This record gives sequence, structure tokens and C-alpha cells, in this order.
Amino acid sequence: AQKVTQAQTEISVVEKEDVTLDCVYETRDTTYYLFWYKQPPSGELVFLIRRNSFDEQNEISGRYSWNFQKSTSSFNFTITASQVVDSAVYFCALIVGGATNKLIFGTGTLLAVQP
Amino acid sequence: DTAVSQTPKYLVTQMGNDKSIKCEQNLGHDTMYWYKQDSKKFLKIMFSYNNKELIINETVPNRFSPKSPDKAHLNLHINSLELGDSAVYFCASSHGRSGANVLTFGAGSRLTVL
Repeated sequence: AQKVTQAQTEISVVEKEDVTLDCVYETRDTTYYLFWYKQPPSGELVFLIRRNSFDEQNEISGRYSWNFQKSTSSFNFTITASQVVDSAVYFCALIVGGATNKLIFGTGTLLAVQP
Repeated sequence: DTAVSQTPKYLVTQMGNDKSIKCEQNLGHDTMYWYKQDSKKFLKIMFSYNNKELIINETVPNRFSPKSPDKAHLNLHINSLELGDSAVYFCASSHGRSGANVLTFGAGSRLTVL
């Protein structure tokens, strides 16, 4: 069975702090894709990153960085120097490679960045 | 131009009524989806269509009937609405049906059943 666990339900930080959102996934397949989506208070779902199971290289995009470790089945997301605009619910998600494109979401982490 | 647009954005209705939510994408994608987000923010897939063919049908009550008249549209009709149907419904689309493809989501349609 496939599963995504985001153990942190809510995180509160003060602006300019660094924060890491944890994501642990479960799958027996060797081909899979991992995603992060952001859901700001306005409600839309915004794609942040996709990573395939064969590429463990970490990625940095501005203040955002992602750490993918197959050994621990984790795909963690770090925001450096957080800003109030980063306040949102962040979802980690998994697709197992195959004929269908079914995103399995974690339960989300609510990040509140205080000014 | 909105890439994936859903109408209506808000829908308040009484139990037992029938309602529809429409979705249109102008991205040229061939695969479309409906996801449901419950009050605890949990997101779960309901349906997926690829070139108007149903490819994913999760264990959704048959009161929910998706319809895809063409690959740019995927509508969701709900019969005999129940309190538990209250949720935000997201439409999404992607190019192709493989796991490699990124889903683009609409802004969501908040359904409240009284």
C-alpha cells in the first residue's frame, strides 16, 4: 500500500526563522514521484516541486530546498528565512509509477509565520 | 486566462438537492481529475478521465456522476446531496496519465449542504 505521512500538523515560526516540513512516504514500487503543493489561505493548490525516485539530488529554489533520502523514505522541505507570505498548508504527495496518475496526499502541515 | 477554472466557487444548498460543478481547462491537457478536500483538509482523488475515458473511479457513492463531454471539460453532478458531501471539490488536469505528469489544480468549489 502507498501512504504519505506528515507528522507535523501545525508549525508556528517567527519571520526570518528557518523551518523544515517533514514528509515520510511508503511504497513498494521502485518507480514513483514525490510532490510538494502549497495551499495558501486563498485556497488554491500551487505546485512547488516534483522529484522522481531515481533522482536523489537535492534541489534548491530561492529560499526553498528539498532533501530526498530514499534510505529513510523521506522528502523534507525547508524554507530558509521564512516570510509571512509563506503561511499556508503544505502537502506532500506521492504517485506510484504506472498507467494512472493518482496523487496520494499527506494530511498537510499548517505553517504559520508570525511577523 | 485561468488555466483550470471551476464554477461555481461557492455553492450552498439543502439536503436532498441535486447540484453540478463545472470544470474547464485551457492548457491542452488530455487528463482531468476531481479531488475532494474534507473539513480536515484531507485531499482524496474521486475520478479521473483521460481523453473522455474514465480511468480512475475511487469508492465514491454513485450519487456522484462525472461527465466529460470533451477533453477540456469535466463536470461533476451530485444527486440527493447529504451533509457529508460538504467539502471543497478541486478539479485538476495534466498532460498525459503517467505518474510523471504534474497536476494543475483549479481554485476549488466549496460546497455546503445544510
